[in-house]
Amino acid sequence: ETGVTQSPTHLIKTRGQQVTLRCSSQSGHNTVSWYQQALGQGPQFIFQYYREEENGRGNFPPRFSGLQFPNYSSELNVNALELDDSALYLCASSLGGMGNEQYFGPGTRLTVT
Amino acid sequence: GESVGLHLPTLSVQEGDNSIINCAYSNSASDYFIWYKQESGKGPQFIIDIRSNMDKRQGQRVTVLLNKTVKHLSLQIAATQPGDSAVYFCAEKTPSGYSTLTFGKGTMLLVSP
Repeated sequence: ETGVTQSPTHLIKTRGQQVTLRCSSQSGHNTVSWYQQALGQGPQFIFQYYREEENGRGNFPPRFSGLQFPNYSSELNVNALELDDSALYLCASSLGGMGNEQYFGPGTRLTVT
Repeated sequence: GESVGLHLPTLSVQEGDNSIINCAYSNSASDYFIWYKQESGKGPQFIIDIRSNMDKRQGQRVTVLLNKTVKHLSLQIAATQPGDSAVYFCAEKTPSGYSTLTFGKGTMLLVSP
């Protein structure tokens, strides 16, 4: 069974740029959730995708967007990067859209300068 | 607003001691809680969960207690080992139409040999 993987591991971008982060869900999982974790804080929910549709969204602006593909992998896109977007971005996969146990990937560390 | 929080930011114990990490929640409608362990540079790892119709659940060396009267959750780790050193988060499943997790800020557990 393959776990959740994310790419890239680290990324450095300049303010105003755009970034795409990728996540491959655990085998058999059809739900992907994205979280932002600032240094010293707990993860904050961004949004969730279930069967290729957005299934819920946290308190993040529209410049945070996502996609889920037929193989249930997912992308997180952030436009017009701001310094405060610097964080660890975590992807979690689960089976079903109603909150079964979520398995987290190792995260992508994004630094915006 | 509703939130999940932790009482202690850092807990230092000696190897072999029992550790207790506490968490308070304020949403009385929450029905599912999870404890995660996050080691440096890694994503959160599931430890144990508990549903609101239970008040205690045991795993291997870990016990979670839920007191719905005072909206308090605790994680007990028996015979703490240096490998238990990490940040521990409690997370609350939001009682909404989709699943997401609301995390507290975390408690760092430091285990000295």
